[in-house]
Amino acid sequence: GEDVEQSLFLSVREGDSSVINCTYTDSSSTYLYWYKQEPGAGLQLLTYIFSNMDMKQDQRLTVLLNKKDKHLSLRIADTQTGDSAIYFCAETVSGRRALTFGSGTRLQVQP
Amino acid sequence: DTGVSQDPRHKITKRGQNVTFRCDPISEHNRLYWYRQTLGQGPEFLTYFQNEAQLEKSRLLSDRFSAERPKGSFSTLEIQRTEQGDSAMYLCASSKGSGDRNEQYFGPGTRLTVT
Repeated sequence: GEDVEQSLFLSVREGDSSVINCTYTDSSSTYLYWYKQEPGAGLQLLTYIFSNMDMKQDQRLTVLLNKKDKHLSLRIADTQTGDSAIYFCAETVSGRRALTFGSGTRLQVQP
Repeated sequence: DTGVSQDPRHKITKRGQNVTFRCDPISEHNRLYWYRQTLGQGPEFLTYFQNEAQLEKSRLLSDRFSAERPKGSFSTLEIQRTEQGDSAMYLCASSKGSGDRNEQYFGPGTRLTVT
């Protein structure tokens, strides 16, 4: 079945890099996504990666995918206080349209 | 602003009452999804429409829940005989994906409180 897990909390200093990790269990994952949720707001799609790719870079964001270990990470370069939020990874599997989400990682950026 | 709108943003109801939520997707998106999110958790999938056809339903969608998308545009989610356990944020998303590629854009959600 589908299961997505994330660590609960990450604290970094402003200007440092943040790395948020995610593991998933379903080997038929097709796309993996990162969403950001700020307090009282909906989910904002940040980026996604196709399961046959190893890496994707989008401005300050770098996504790394290790398909063998079923491990996904999101690196945020030069982290800013505005990056403080909850970050969710999510997957879709072949033949289904539903997203399966992890429980989220709360990123706290200290000035 | 993702373009997905939901109404109402907040709903307080007494246990046993029926409630209905509305979602308006991004206009060119043919796929529409409902999710439920409780405090401290990620969203959980409820159901999915492609145009007006309801193609996937989660086990979470009990008999008290019904969703429609009659003309392939807006959608409604109705909960009958609400229970306290139905208290959650109900999120709607839409996408214009083809095949497995499926970037979903979320609305702000409707927060339901059942007293």
